[in-house]
Amino acid sequence: SQQGEEDPQALSIQEGENATMNCSYKTSINNLQWYRQNSGRGLVHLILIRSNEREKHSGRLRVTLDTSKKSSSLLITASRAADTASYFCATDAVDTGRRALTFGSGTRLQVQP
Amino acid sequence: ETGVTQSPTHLIKTRGQQVTLRCSSQSGHNTVSWYQQALGQGPQFIFQYYREEENGRGNFPPRFSGLQFPNYSSELNVNALELDDSALYLCASSSEGIAPYGYTFGSGTRLTVV
Repeated sequence: SQQGEEDPQALSIQEGENATMNCSYKTSINNLQWYRQNSGRGLVHLILIRSNEREKHSGRLRVTLDTSKKSSSLLITASRAADTASYFCATDAVDTGRRALTFGSGTRLQVQP
Repeated sequence: ETGVTQSPTHLIKTRGQQVTLRCSSQSGHNTVSWYQQALGQGPQFIFQYYREEENGRGNFPPRFSGLQFPNYSSELNVNALELDDSALYLCASSSEGIAPYGYTFGSGTRLTVV
């Protein structure tokens, strides 16, 4: 089963607008990561936020993490048509040994030019 | 360019057959993980290899098996293919001991079982 669940499942916005995607998870984590995927191809790592961090920025990306609510959000500011993709959150759970990521089901973002 | 190379990019197999997928990890990475991504879903963890040993496994049957070689490249083998095995198979490499634990994914192998 999926650890993380993204919300919304699909999002359509106009170029220049901001896009916000949310992710909820179930277990304690070491960190939470966001990935981007174009048209069913490979995943591209966007940003990682550790469990002791509350907010992180990278360029037009802003990620927040609320461990008390087991939730995270990804904000893409000033969106561009090239941002059209699926976005996944993935948790690196507190678990002995393995470094398995548990992914949500993703948000499909469509940015209209 | 991700540094992780997967082959082949596409593959069509018949139900009951066996398949081997290959992955060359990014230079300096000693850990390889395999994921299965069904259409419209997020990737699901299959297993991970670290220094040629299996280092964790997801909820997949034994007919999914793997190998990691001394150069840290890896293979995913699937026996007795079923229609539900049709998916994108992703390989990710990482380096243990370096925090944060970043993963570099390949572009995947699209497997279709008919």
